[in-house]
Order: sequence, then structure tokens, then C-alpha cells
Amino acid sequence: ELKVEQNPLFLSMQEGKNYTIYCNYSTTSDRLYWYRQDPGKSLESLFVLLSNGAVKQEGRLMASLDTKARLSTLHITAAVHDLSATYFCAVDNSGTYKYIFGTGTRLKVLA
Amino acid sequence: GAGVSQSPRYKVAKRGQDVALRCDPISGHVSLFWYQQALGQGPEFLTYFQNEAQLDKSGLPSDRFFAERPEGSVSTLKIQRTQQEDSAVYLCASSFQSNQPQHFGDGTRLSIL
Repeated sequence: ELKVEQNPLFLSMQEGKNYTIYCNYSTTSDRLYWYRQDPGKSLESLFVLLSNGAVKQEGRLMASLDTKARLSTLHITAAVHDLSATYFCAVDNSGTYKYIFGTGTRLKVLA
Repeated sequence: GAGVSQSPRYKVAKRGQDVALRCDPISGHVSLFWYQQALGQGPEFLTYFQNEAQLDKSGLPSDRFFAERPEGSVSTLKIQRTQQEDSAVYLCASSFQSNQPQHFGDGTRLSIL
């Protein structure tokens, strides 16, 4: 059974600091997705990582994928309050259509 | 439309009542998915349609849950004889093809009293 684990589950950080969220998954997959969810809102797509070694950056967020280690990271650079949200990674189970989501990382950026 | 549209946004029902949740996918998207998101958790897969065919319903938690997409566009998720454990946000997603990134709607927050 494919499992997706994120850590940390909760993250409180000061503005201007850097931090990394980790996403580990248990079986072979070369597709990984990062989503952002604000309270009461739906999932906003951040990154789509489709191959080993993929790295994508958007603003203060950078995501990478290592399929051999079954690990993806979401790096936050110089955090700002607007980044406060819950971040989910999801894995496409061996190229099937089902997304398996992690439990999410609730990020709070303190001013 | 521009995005996946779900209705209602909020639904409150008494235990034992039947409910129906609607999803309008992005125009032209062949694949449609339903997920259930419990409070503080990540979404969990319920079922998947390709056009009007329900190809996978392995995530439906019980036979009280039923989904349909009769004309290959709008989908309805129906829950019969609702129970308190059915309280969750129900998310619908669509994609152009099954192997393309999924786009999510705002969800329906269901509360069973």
C-alpha cells in the first residue's frame, strides 16, 4: 500500500527565515504534486514534478524530486506571512490516476 | 467554465437523511474524481470517472455512497442514510486525461447532525 508522509506536520516560523518541508513516499512513482490549501478553500496547484531530479521554483518556493530516495522537498526562502497555509504533497501511484495525499504541513509564518 | 464548480458549498443534514453533492468539471475534461477530506487530514480518493464510465469506486467507504456521471460531464455524489462519520469536505477534481494534473473545486462541506 502506498503511503505518503510529510514532516513536519506543523511549522511555525519567523518572517525572513528559510525552511524545508519533506515528503516521503513508500513505493515507486515518478510523479509528485505539491498543493497549497488555505482554510475553507480548495487545493491550489503549486508544482508538478514529473521526473527524477526535477526542480521547480516559483517565487519563494522551490520544489524538488528524488525518485530514487522517494523524497520530495518544498523549500521556503525568506518566508512571508502570505505563505501561511497548509501544504500537501500527493503522489500519483505508479502512473495511475489516483492521488495519494500526505497528511499536510500546516505552516504559520509569524510577522 | 473557468474552473471546477461544486454545489452546494455547505450542506447540513440530519443523521439518516440522504444528500446529493454536485460537481461541474472544467469543460472538455474527460476524467473526474471525488475525494473526501476529513478535518485536519489530506484528501482521500473515493471514485474516478472517465467520461460517463465509473472505472474505479474502490475508495467509496460503504454502499451508502453512490456516484454517477450519466452524460460524461456533471457528476453527482449521493450519500444515503447519512451518518455522523460522513461529515467531511467532499472535493471534486477533473483533468483533461487521467494522467494529466488534476484541478480541484472548492469542495462541499458536509455536516451531519
